[in-house]
Amino acid sequence: AQSVTQPDIHITVSEGASLELRCNYSYGATPYLFWYVQSPGQGLQLLLKYFSGDTLVQGIKGFEAEFKRSQSSFNLRKPSVHWSDAAEYFCAVGVDTGFQKLVFGTGTRLLVSP
Amino acid sequence: GAVVSQHPSRVICKSGTSVKIECRSLDFQATTMFWYRQFPKQSLMLMATSNEGSKATYEQGVEKDKFLINHASLTLSTLTVTSAHPEDSSFYICSARPDSNSPLHFGNGTRLTVT
Repeated sequence: AQSVTQPDIHITVSEGASLELRCNYSYGATPYLFWYVQSPGQGLQLLLKYFSGDTLVQGIKGFEAEFKRSQSSFNLRKPSVHWSDAAEYFCAVGVDTGFQKLVFGTGTRLLVSP
Repeated sequence: GAVVSQHPSRVICKSGTSVKIECRSLDFQATTMFWYRQFPKQSLMLMATSNEGSKATYEQGVEKDKFLINHASLTLSTLTVTSAHPEDSSFYICSARPDSNSPLHFGNGTRLTVT
């Protein structure tokens, strides 16, 4: 069955430091992968997506993610974290041919310390 | 960009009553919309797929009679939680996309509290 694992429940990063959020997926076919961010009490905002092609994808707000098929991973990175980046981050995989159905990971809460 | 609007953002109701949540695509038409549920400190779980002009498709374990979905137009889907109980308290989020090449866009969610 399709699944997404985000092994880190919480991560604390100092403002200005680099960030990497881990995501591993289990999916038999070519995955469609997404990272979403959720601020408290809010819906989800798409940060970036991978469908095919270049395995390093750029997103909004200075985020990027790298698809590594051999490791079944799609880790999210940012070189310098801002206090406004504090939020919940969800990795997801599209599980149908139209990637309309998404299976989400359990999320990683990012805390940014001054 | 594509905008999905949800209303209300918060609702408190008493046990046994019904609550309707609206999901609108503001600047595009959506033949399909998706309803997710998020428990506190947990991930989103797909509840059902709302299809314009036809019956919704529910995920395994989701009660059709409890969560009524209506997709009467290309820009509006509604989720009605019938005979709500405290265990229905949750964060409900809808999503839709403008076309098959676009990713899903999510509404801001509805926090339902059943007392």
